[in-house]
Amino acid sequence: AQTVTQSQPEMSVQEAETVTLSCTYDTSESDYYLFWYKQPPSRQMILVIRQEAYKQQNATENRFSVNFQKAAKSFSLKISDSQLGDAAMYFCAYIGRGANSKLTFGKGITLSVRP
Amino acid sequence: DGGITQSPKYLFRKEGQNVTLSCEQNLNHDAMYWYRQDPGQGLRLIYYSQIVNDFQKGDIAEGYSVSREKKESFPLTVTSAQKNPTAFYLCASSKWAGTATVNSPLHFGNGTRLTVT
Repeated sequence: AQTVTQSQPEMSVQEAETVTLSCTYDTSESDYYLFWYKQPPSRQMILVIRQEAYKQQNATENRFSVNFQKAAKSFSLKISDSQLGDAAMYFCAYIGRGANSKLTFGKGITLSVRP
Repeated sequence: DGGITQSPKYLFRKEGQNVTLSCEQNLNHDAMYWYRQDPGQGLRLIYYSQIVNDFQKGDIAEGYSVSREKKESFPLTVTSAQKNPTAFYLCASSKWAGTATVNSPLHFGNGTRLTVT
């Protein structure tokens, strides 16, 4: 079974600084997808960024980028120029490409942004 | 605008009572999912459905039941057999069932907070 590990329960960053959130996963599959979701205090889950395992290029969405290390099974999220609105819980998620694959989430990390 | 509607936002029940959480989507998505969120636990899959009139158990299905009579609707019943039902419940949908694609991420509802006393 696949597992997703987010070992840091909480992190804090100064506004306008850069922060990196860690995520590792365990799988025997060679083709899969990885996601980062954001859950602000409203508790609405919002997709931040997505990565296809067969693509070597790291995904980027504005201030959000990932460092995808397939051999190390690592998928960290970098937030540049942190803003107060970035304060939220962030979840890393994995899904295999096979039929009946289900999205597996990590336990999440709470990010606070200091003004 | 298309989206997923979960109702109610807050729900209170007495222990021993069954309760049904509503989830409706107008995104024309094939697949629908129910997750439970507890502090420090992340999201855990309860049930999912890839097609009308069919559904599969997730990782923590015990004490829950679902139905998928319509494509748009996927209600979740929390039965009295669920030992610890107080939690935040999230419903989600995705466009494609079966083989996942990166272009078919999950869309989530706003969740229902269930409190059982």
